[in-house]
Amino acid sequence: DAKTTQPPSMDCAEGRAANLPCNHSTISGNEYVYWYRQIHSQGPQYIIHGLKNNETNEMASLIITEDRKSSTLILPHATLRDTAVYYCIVRVAGGNTPLVFGKGTRLSVIA
Amino acid sequence: DTAVSQTPKYLVTQMGNDKSIKCEQNLGHDTMYWYKQDSKKFLKIMFSYNNKELIINETVPNRFSPKSPDKAHLNLHINSLELGDSAVYFCASSQVINTIYFGEGSWLTVV
Repeated sequence: DAKTTQPPSMDCAEGRAANLPCNHSTISGNEYVYWYRQIHSQGPQYIIHGLKNNETNEMASLIITEDRKSSTLILPHATLRDTAVYYCIVRVAGGNTPLVFGKGTRLSVIA
Repeated sequence: DTAVSQTPKYLVTQMGNDKSIKCEQNLGHDTMYWYKQDSKKFLKIMFSYNNKELIINETVPNRFSPKSPDKAHLNLHINSLELGDSAVYFCASSQVINTIYFGEGSWLTVV
């Protein structure tokens, strides 16, 4: 079972920042927070991951609270192409642990 | 170049038939996976292989038989297809520690 809780859906105006929250209150010390998204009719796409420090890449920023019990994915300037289901996943680093997907958040970017 | 490729993309077949879905990755990864996404859009791990050896089998019916001829390929063979097997099947690969990359999916419809 997924160890994360996300709102089922969110809307965001095009050009604005999209902030997607995730709760993972039972996260273990050796588990990372991963974010993936699935655009309609495509395979899941990796976005970003982190352990305890905030992370940023060309797609998004990941803010993890100090107690690591929650995190927020930030898409700084959402576009229509960012409309997708976003999955927050906790996963042990290393080994061959598969990703366990929850229900995710359906983000709709509106023009 | 497609990193994880699956064939066929679409497959319509009758109940009781046997069919295969092929997957190849050109990333040099050691681990490959099969995921199933049903009509309710839940993504679930089915199998995981590391260096051609099965390491995870998530209580999948034994009508499903993955085969890994080498570490770049993980094919999924399904015997005696049932209506409930209709779904999108995603192949994925990863290297230890690194992120998991997904193919574009194979849409299976059993009629």
